[in-house]
Amino acid sequence: GAVVSQHPSWVICKSGTSVKIECRSLDFQATTMFWYRQFPKQSLMLMATSNEGSKATYEQGVEKDKFLINHASLTLSTLTVTSAHPEDSSFYICSSNRALSYNEQFFGPGTRLTVL
Amino acid sequence: ILNVEQSPQSLHVQEGDSTNFTCSFPSSNFYALHWYRWETAKSPEALFVMTLNGDEKKKGRISATLNTKEGYSYLYIKGSQPEDSATYLCAFVSSNTGKLIFGQGTTLQVKP
Repeated sequence: GAVVSQHPSWVICKSGTSVKIECRSLDFQATTMFWYRQFPKQSLMLMATSNEGSKATYEQGVEKDKFLINHASLTLSTLTVTSAHPEDSSFYICSSNRALSYNEQFFGPGTRLTVL
Repeated sequence: ILNVEQSPQSLHVQEGDSTNFTCSFPSSNFYALHWYRWETAKSPEALFVMTLNGDEKKKGRISATLNTKEGYSYLYIKGSQPEDSATYLCAFVSSNTGKLIFGQGTTLQVKP
């Protein structure tokens, strides 16, 4: 199967700072990547779809100015949480569908963000 | 709002027990139903991608069935082993959007 890495695996930051999370496809070119968020005891929720070389498409209720997504190459997408607040503390996970049929996803291992 | 429900939320079984869990999803605009296995500190891995009503798929001791008319899928594990301990996620893919809508998952703990 395809391999997706994510860095860092966890991060603790102070309120008001920005945090960047990287998602890399290691053995394939990812035209499209997806960013999900999971709050405790809830399901994975799609935040945005990132396409290489173009602007990300955000889901309803997700602030694009707060969650900046950059997909500048076919192997790297980044999510920057700007001016993080404690309510942004969550588990963030990326994936790519590798252009497979039925949108089967290959996931990274996720990033646990804690904002103090 | 599309709702995907999984039950039970968690399950504790003894090694050797067989078990099953349920994923309920909307019965309209069906495109696909995915099952993923998610071990702690690892990436979720696709187990099955199911697309046709009546589909039955098998991988080793794990199998899944699909009923798109009534909107449910079952995942079965025969003779559970400690290494089966994980969270099992299902995701409904709508034909309208192609996006994945996840259930909350069923966390399975298999005791040796």
